[in-house]
Amino acid sequence: GAGVSQSPRYKVAKRGQDVALRCDPISGHVSLFWYQQALGQGPEFLTYFQNEAQLDKSGLPSDRFFAERPEGSVSTLKIQRTQQEDSAVYLCASSLWDRSYNEQFFGPGTRLTVL
Amino acid sequence: TQLLEQSPQFLSIQEGENLTVYCNSSSVFSSLQWYRQEPGEGPVLLVTVVTGGEVKKLKRLTFQFGDARKDSSLHITAAQPGDTGLYLCAGANAGGTSYGKLTFGQGTILTVHP
Repeated sequence: GAGVSQSPRYKVAKRGQDVALRCDPISGHVSLFWYQQALGQGPEFLTYFQNEAQLDKSGLPSDRFFAERPEGSVSTLKIQRTQQEDSAVYLCASSLWDRSYNEQFFGPGTRLTVL
Repeated sequence: TQLLEQSPQFLSIQEGENLTVYCNSSSVFSSLQWYRQEPGEGPVLLVTVVTGGEVKKLKRLTFQFGDARKDSSLHITAAQPGDTGLYLCAGANAGGTSYGKLTFGQGTILTVHP
């Protein structure tokens, strides 16, 4: 079975440009998380979906960040008017259920570089 | 805000040495997970500890969860070059609006020299 996939793997954007990052979770997984990881640091929580419902978006750094999961499977993280401080690896993770001890399976991430 | 302090941040050792990585918090977590991450890849789960005082072993790796479920440690015996990577601890919460979202430590970059 396929794991979590993310695309693109690498994205270079000019400052002010809009970007869209895609996550394909493991089929049937209820929970989907987005994390942001700066170089050499641990990931930081951005937002959480349970099926199509976005139940927690407390980690989104600004209103330029928007995430959706309209049909409860594929998710897209959109960043509008990108800034240099948005440069990071964006990780997506999915989990079978919404229990804290359930393993989260991570995708390879999208490395975003804003020039 | 829950924080996890992970130490040391960098560890460079020779093959065959033992090492311990620590993860500490002032907050209680319902479970604590250890991940290993290779360059260009996402974190991969090594172990989940749930019960205070729990000890789990995975070959040469020993994981311990503190009695109060606020801290954890990872001990590697006889490190090998293949152990090189970024090690991350992450605490999870149950209920509320957390739904198992993970709070990660800063990570420990381990380099094992042959």
